[in-house]
Amino acid sequence: DIQMTQAPSSLSASVGDRVTITCRASQSISNYLNWYQQKPGKAPKLLIYAASSLESGVPSRFSGSGSGTDFTLTISSLQPEDFATYYCQQSYSTPLFTFGPGTKVDIK
Amino acid sequence: EVQLVESGGGLVQPGGSLRLSCAASGFSVSSNYMNWVRQTPGKGLEWVSVIYRDGSTYYAESEKGRFSISRDKSKNTLYLQMNSLRAEDTAVYYCARSLVVVRGPDYYYYMDVWGKGTTVTVSS
Repeated sequence: DIQMTQAPSSLSASVGDRVTITCRASQSISNYLNWYQQKPGKAPKLLIYAASSLESGVPSRFSGSGSGTDFTLTISSLQPEDFATYYCQQSYSTPLFTFGPGTKVDIK
Repeated sequence: EVQLVESGGGLVQPGGSLRLSCAASGFSVSSNYMNWVRQTPGKGLEWVSVIYRDGSTYYAESEKGRFSISRDKSKNTLYLQMNSLRAEDTAVYYCARSLVVVRGPDYYYYMDVWGKGTTVTVSS
């Protein structure tokens, strides 16, 4: 099974900060990597698919990069509505999806 | 509007059964790949099962033989029948639609629409 890890598990940041979250796969998954945002009490929301493709309607301050085993989600200028938990998900072993453990972004 | 609404969660004793429903609007459940995903505080997000457009079904290893995914075209509804429930099945259960983007030889799947979730508690 493909295992996903994320770093850091949590971070504190201020509005306007550039934030970077890392996701690592236990084996190469090419660019079969998605990113989701989840706010408390809500369902996850798709941000990025295929490692770097921005989902329609998602602000351009979100970007994704990476291939193989190492991936990054970057928020170029953190906004108040971006405080949430972020999850990566591999789709290389579809239909068996695997999520990362999440990275919580909160207010410094 | 594209929407998914889950129902059927609740409190059930260990060893019991429960059937979750997920009513779709704005698109056809039968024409899409439909998933169940659960979330627990301890294990985070965990994919549970999927039903393909052709009716093929797949399950996470720990759910094989206990859970069954199905759909009703006339009701445009997805189901998850859960049997032999255990305490570790306690979670919020989400249904989610998967879309696929094809780029050359590559098929990229992702979950673009999610319901709000329904809570299942397995406890005596």
